[in-house]
Amino acid sequence: GESVGLHLPTLSVQEGDNSIINCAYSNSASDYFIWYKQESGKGPQFIIDIRSNMDKRQGQRVTVLLNKTVKHLSLQIAATQPGDSAVYFCAEGRSQGNLIFGKGTKLSVKP
Amino acid sequence: DGGITQSPKYLFRKEGQNVTLSCEQNLNHDAMYWYRQDPGQGLRLIYYSQIVNDFQKGDIAEGYSVSREKKESFPLTVTSAQKNPTAFYLCASTGGFNEQFFGPGTRLTVL
Repeated sequence: GESVGLHLPTLSVQEGDNSIINCAYSNSASDYFIWYKQESGKGPQFIIDIRSNMDKRQGQRVTVLLNKTVKHLSLQIAATQPGDSAVYFCAEGRSQGNLIFGKGTKLSVKP
Repeated sequence: DGGITQSPKYLFRKEGQNVTLSCEQNLNHDAMYWYRQDPGQGLRLIYYSQIVNDFQKGDIAEGYSVSREKKESFPLTVTSAQKNPTAFYLCASTGGFNEQFFGPGTRLTVL
C-alpha cells in the first residue's frame, strides 16, 4: 500500500490566514520529501522539497516542516491568497527509487 | 525554454483502439515516469525508466506499454487491454533531489 497519506482531504481557509496542510509517511528510509501544487486540469507544480536530514525549509510564503520522530510532514502557507486554491500533494522520494504520492488535500481559499 | 511537454492535451479513443501519448523532455534527465490520475484521486505509477533502453512496471502497468529509445522521449501506449483508460495522464522526469518536474498532462477519454 501507499506509504504516504494525508490527514485532511479538504481544507477551507479565509484569505489572508495561514494554511497548514499535513502529510504522514511510513517509510523512514525516504531521502527527501516534496510538496506539489496541482491546479485543475494541469500537471503538478513543484513547490518545495526537504531532505530527510533537515527539520525545516523555507521558501517564498511557504515553509515545510519534517518531524521524523512521528513521520509527519507539513506545508505551511503564509497569508493564503485565492491563487493558492488547488490540490496539494506530498511525495516521498528515495535516491534509488521512485516518488510515492499521497492522495492530496484540496485547499479552498474564501475571499 | 526547458521543460517537459506532453501531447496531445486531449485525446479520444474508441473502444478496442490503441493510442500513444507523447512525452518529451529537454532537461537532460535520466529518469522519466508515467502516472495516471483519476478524479479526486492521487497519482498512480504506471511505468518508469531510469535509463535509456530500460524501463520497469509501476503499480498499474497492466494494459499499458512504453519504450525508451531516446533519453528525451518516453511514449506511453494505452492498449485495448486497458479496460478503463479514461483518466488524466501525467509524465514526469527527474534529475534527482530538487529536480522533479511534471508535464501538463493528457486527458484521455474513451468514446
